[in-house]
Amino acid sequence: DQQVKQNSPSLSVQEGRISILNCDYTNSMFDYFLWYKKYPAEGPTFLISISSIKDKNEDGRFTVFLNKSAKHLSLHIVPSQPGDSAVYFCAASALKTSYDKVIFGPGTSLSVIP
Amino acid sequence: EPEVTQTPSHQVTQMGQEVILRCVPISNHLYFYWYRQILGQKVEFLVSFYNNEISEKSEIFDDQFSVERPDGSNFTLKIRSTKLEDSAMYFCASSGGGGGFTEAFFGQGTRLTVV
Repeated sequence: DQQVKQNSPSLSVQEGRISILNCDYTNSMFDYFLWYKKYPAEGPTFLISISSIKDKNEDGRFTVFLNKSAKHLSLHIVPSQPGDSAVYFCAASALKTSYDKVIFGPGTSLSVIP
Repeated sequence: EPEVTQTPSHQVTQMGQEVILRCVPISNHLYFYWYRQILGQKVEFLVSFYNNEISEKSEIFDDQFSVERPDGSNFTLKIRSTKLEDSAMYFCASSGGGGGFTEAFFGQGTRLTVV
């Protein structure tokens, strides 16, 4: 039962171009969404989040878009840099019902080619 | 910058043995979690802990698993009788600085190898 899906296991992008990582969710109770980045042999690190009352949140080169009706969110990285190469996890939480559980997607491995 | 620390970084244990994974969460955080990632698979939620008790657990977190916050700073995960399939990277995380929901901060992980 995969509540958070990331259907692309990997993505390759040229340096300087836009990286778009997609995420879909099934649980309509999710109301808070997060993106984490993970380098090999390290724990996931928080990147950016969005509450369900918004449809966009921006932080520097990173923008997250949320389409609640489609139960879809995406992370845009512009411009992509080689240091962005990592596994990106989409995660979701239902703050009203399950305050303290964050469900992760399977991850998308991003490679930014110099 | 405050961080979550986990020890050991790598633990090798014999099948059937008990193992304790240790974590020191960020000091003012109130919620504590264990996640695991089997090699090549997704990060999976195991358990969350708040106010000195388990608040949620997944179906993975069966009777072989237990968590404890013995001294107000450490947060431990015990696996009573390890199985080969328990081999994974185990991540501790903490969140919630008292002002509401904050993102979870993860430790570097403990790689558990059951032989």
